[in-house]
Amino acid sequence: ETGVTQSPTHLIKTRGQQVTLRCSSQSGHNTVSWYQQALGQGPQFIFQYYREEENGRGNFPPRFSGLQFPNYSSELNVNALELDDSALYLCASSWRTEETQYFGPGTRLLVL
Amino acid sequence: RKEVEQDPGPFNVPEGATVAFNCTYSNSASQSFFWYRQDCRKEPKLLMSVYSSGNEDGRFTAQLNRASQYISLLIRDSKLSDSATYLCVVRRDSWGKLQFGAGTQVVVTP
Repeated sequence: ETGVTQSPTHLIKTRGQQVTLRCSSQSGHNTVSWYQQALGQGPQFIFQYYREEENGRGNFPPRFSGLQFPNYSSELNVNALELDDSALYLCASSWRTEETQYFGPGTRLLVL
Repeated sequence: RKEVEQDPGPFNVPEGATVAFNCTYSNSASQSFFWYRQDCRKEPKLLMSVYSSGNEDGRFTAQLNRASQYISLLIRDSKLSDSATYLCVVRRDSWGKLQFGAGTQVVVTP
């Protein structure tokens, strides 16, 4: 196992609601990246946090936001949920931004 | 055009046989290359990094062709446990954003 944990494992929300997903990085890792994986697709990069600062962002609207805490755990917040937000949300941690990324088990979000 | 493209498969492979597949990437400035493996409804796991000189890890061999901008993965002596989706991954920037292909499904049959 990678040591990266995510919660919750599954979540069902309705359109327009807000959701917060959590990720605990592997011990010693100071970088967390978030990805969205729709069914049948590869993961798409949402953003990365390095030492509590956003370090890059993919092509996602501002209603996707994040946070990294002093212990390097991280949150992904999605406001005004849309049906297309239904996906597997993966976080990955790494020792530094350019090092190998290790993925957590993901959170499956279903928006009805 | 997608940054990383893969044949989705499935590649149906008899146990013990060899299977190979490629992916292509569009950005010539890409710096790092990887193969990740993803089992059904699980997280991606790093299979191997891909180096310019080509590299091997047991039954798995990866090759990189920068001139033609493609990466290949070859699996020898396929095992039932090799059944999975193989994700081709490219990192363009030094700061770590990974670009994933949609994956190639491999099904190893008895």
